[in-house]
Amino acid sequence: AQTVTQSQPEMSVQEAETVTLSCTYDTSESNYYLFWYKQPPSRQMILVIRQEAYKQQNATENRFSVNFQKAAKSFSLKISDSQLGDTAMYFCAFMKLENRDDKIIFGKGTRLHILP
Amino acid sequence: GAVVSQHPSWVICKSGTSVKIECRSLDFQATTMFWYRQFPKQSLMLMATSNEGSKATYEQGVEKDKFLINHASLTLSTLTVTSAHPEDSSFYICSARGEQGVNQPQHFGDGTRLSIL
Repeated sequence: AQTVTQSQPEMSVQEAETVTLSCTYDTSESNYYLFWYKQPPSRQMILVIRQEAYKQQNATENRFSVNFQKAAKSFSLKISDSQLGDTAMYFCAFMKLENRDDKIIFGKGTRLHILP
Repeated sequence: GAVVSQHPSWVICKSGTSVKIECRSLDFQATTMFWYRQFPKQSLMLMATSNEGSKATYEQGVEKDKFLINHASLTLSTLTVTSAHPEDSSFYICSARGEQGVNQPQHFGDGTRLSIL
């Protein structure tokens, strides 16, 4: 069974600083997706970034980038130039690539506070 | 982008009543829909997976007679919490995946806050 572990329950950083959220996962699958989702106080689930396991290049989306270490099963999220609007719960997630019923497995989340 | 509409966004009802939550894909056909439950300050817990026209697959520990899921069309899935009690109070979120299957990410609804008095 797949598991996703986020070891930082809560973090706080000053606005404009860079912050890195950690995530490790365990799987025996070779083809899978990894995600970071943001859940602000409104509780919407917002996809921040996605990484396909077969791609060696780390995904980036504007101020958000990942450090994907497949051998180490590590998938950290870096937020550069953090903004107040980045305050949210962040979930690391895993999904294997097999069939349409494949479910997303979420970590327990990291609550991120961006301080003014 | 793909939009998933969930309704209602907030419902308060008395203990013993049944509550229906709708999840609609507005601009794509959702072959698979997922229902999650989220307690305060916790992660999303998958309750069940439903494919259009077939019975839902429930996760271990989820009572299928308590949480009825219907996925009658490619754009609509419903979750009915039957004979709801205060312990059923939670945040329920649906997500949908389209015809492209595994190569398409899940699109989430905005969630439903259910409060049972």
